[in-house]
Formats: sequence, C-alpha cells, structure tokens
Amino acid sequence: EADIYQTPRYLVIGTGKKITLECSQTMGHDKMYWYQQDPGMELHLIHYSYGVNSTEKGDLSSESTVSRIRTEHFPLTLESARPSHTSQYLCASSGDRAGTEAFFGQGTRLTVV
Amino acid sequence: AQSVTQLGSHVSVSEGALVLLRCNYSSSVPPYLFWYVQYPNQGLQLLLKYTTGATLVKGINGFEAEFKKSETSFHLTKPSAHMSDAAEYFCAVRSSSGSARQLTFGSGTQLTVLP
Repeated sequence: EADIYQTPRYLVIGTGKKITLECSQTMGHDKMYWYQQDPGMELHLIHYSYGVNSTEKGDLSSESTVSRIRTEHFPLTLESARPSHTSQYLCASSGDRAGTEAFFGQGTRLTVV
Repeated sequence: AQSVTQLGSHVSVSEGALVLLRCNYSSSVPPYLFWYVQYPNQGLQLLLKYTTGATLVKGINGFEAEFKKSETSFHLTKPSAHMSDAAEYFCAVRSSSGSARQLTFGSGTQLTVLP
C-alpha cells in the first residue's frame, strides 16, 4: 500500500479564504506532483517537483502555489479561494527510475462557496 | 511530445462479459505505459505497467494489457467482468527520457458493469 497522505479529504470554504492542502509521503521519493481533476474528467498536472527547493508549473495554469522544503512534504496553497477553484486535487510521488509508477494520495475534494 | 488517447469515455458491459478498454499512445521514444483505476472519491491505484520485456502484462484484479508497438496501443482487458470492476480507468504514458513532468494521462474511461 502506498504511503502518501493528503489532508483534508474534504474541504468546504468561503470565497477569499486562504487554504493549504497538505501532502506527505514516507517513501523517500524525490519527485512529487499535484493534479487537478474535475468530476469524471481527466487529470491535469498543475505543479511538480524534482526534489527539495525545486518546483515547476505543470501543463494547466493554476493560481495555486507550492513549496518543497522537505523531501516528504509538498503542500499546495491558494491565497484567495474562488468558486472556480472547486475541484478535486490529487497529490502523487514517484521514484527516480523512469519506469517507476506514480503513487497517489486519496485526494482532497475542495468546494469554494 | 507524448499523448494518450482513450477511445470511449463510457463503456458498459454485462457481469461476466469481456472487458476491453482501449488506449493508444504517441511517443517519440520507447514509452513506459500504465493503467490506473480510480474508485469514487479516491485517488488512483496502479493496475499494471509495461516497461520492458514481455509485451503481455498481467496486473491486479485479473486485468491484463498487451503492448503492441506496431499499433501504438496498450489496451486493457479482463475476461469476465465483476460488479466491483465498475470504476474510472486511466491509461498513462511516461517517456523513457525520465523527466519529472513526462507522465501524461488519457481522459479516462468510465466502466459500468450491468447485472
């Protein structure tokens, strides 16, 4: 079983609030990812990281920001939540070998009202 | 550049029938290929993967997939569908160049299993 955890699982928050979605993994993986997924839709990569102090934006533009101060921790922050941010956010990590798979957390379903 | 196309956003089969979910990829270098399953309100779980070697890959829950380079396909099959197989299935490709961002997902196929 994958050791990657996301909190909270569900979050309902008001417009304009600052939120941080937590993601932690205990596998020692250098590579970590954030995906955004609308219900029944495909996954869009919004952020990724090669390792500590390394972050890049993904294919889908996002107003969120990420940080990677520790290998095991890759939080995502929205400074001012809006209803358009309502979505499911999935965190993943993978090892260094190209053929290794990504391990996913259970996701955070965010609703901004 | 690489991409994945999953034919059929929704597939329905009867319980006990063959499951076939289609995936075609494009990649400029030999790819690594993955199938994931997602149950409602859950993350993605790996079903199987192809890296090198045998082109017929067996995974969990009785699923298997065959890598066909000439057809650029990696279709997922299961001989006999079970009600518990109802879920969303994603095909993904990763370039063998191995950079962090090169894991590309298809748009997904929702599998419904009818009693």
